[in-house]
Amino acid sequence: SQQGEEDPQALSIQEGENATMNCSYKTSINNLQWYRQNSGRGLVHLILIRSNEREKHSGRLRVTLDTSKKSSSLLITASRAADTASYFCATDFDPGGFKTIFGAGTRLFVKA
Amino acid sequence: DVKVTQSSRYLVKRTGEKVFLECVQDMDHENMFWYRQDPGLGLRLIYFSYDVKMKEKGDIPEGYSVSREKKERFSLILESASTNQTSMYLCASSLLGSGANVLTFGAGSRLTVL
Repeated sequence: SQQGEEDPQALSIQEGENATMNCSYKTSINNLQWYRQNSGRGLVHLILIRSNEREKHSGRLRVTLDTSKKSSSLLITASRAADTASYFCATDFDPGGFKTIFGAGTRLFVKA
Repeated sequence: DVKVTQSSRYLVKRTGEKVFLECVQDMDHENMFWYRQDPGLGLRLIYFSYDVKMKEKGDIPEGYSVSREKKERFSLILESASTNQTSMYLCASSLLGSGANVLTFGAGSRLTVL
């Protein structure tokens, strides 16, 4: 499976610190997305970056994409306890765009 | 508030039982998906559908079937449940032709097969 891989698997930080999560993938992609999942719930879409984009911002989120290295990073600035969740990168690589492939996720714990 | 609704949050079934997981979306999305989520494995695509009565296999279709008789409803069927199908099942939908497959997920159905 052409899956993204997140790094680290788990991350624990203090409230107010920045959290950085990385994602690597194997093949050329159309888009890369980041999702958040609170414990035991469904995933919520956070941000999408297209293959011709290098950086996007949304509130406290900053996503970068390096297609030459097949990698992306998600930065959450000034983290809050409510940011505690699992974060997944997801890649759309087939022309039809239906088969979105998810990585195993990074578990973020923000201590108050 | 638009949403994807999965009919059961928790199910406990016995080996060999037939299991139906129902999913309904109210966003008029063409595409619907079933994923299963297991610790350390992320989400794996079981089946998807891009139109009524259309279905495509994902990465792990074995042991599963699907039904899409109406645009808003996508059902996942386990013909004969087995213990290795104990998992969290996530339904999602997306809009056709948006240029990217941005998924809206349901809350999930946690299935335990004894």
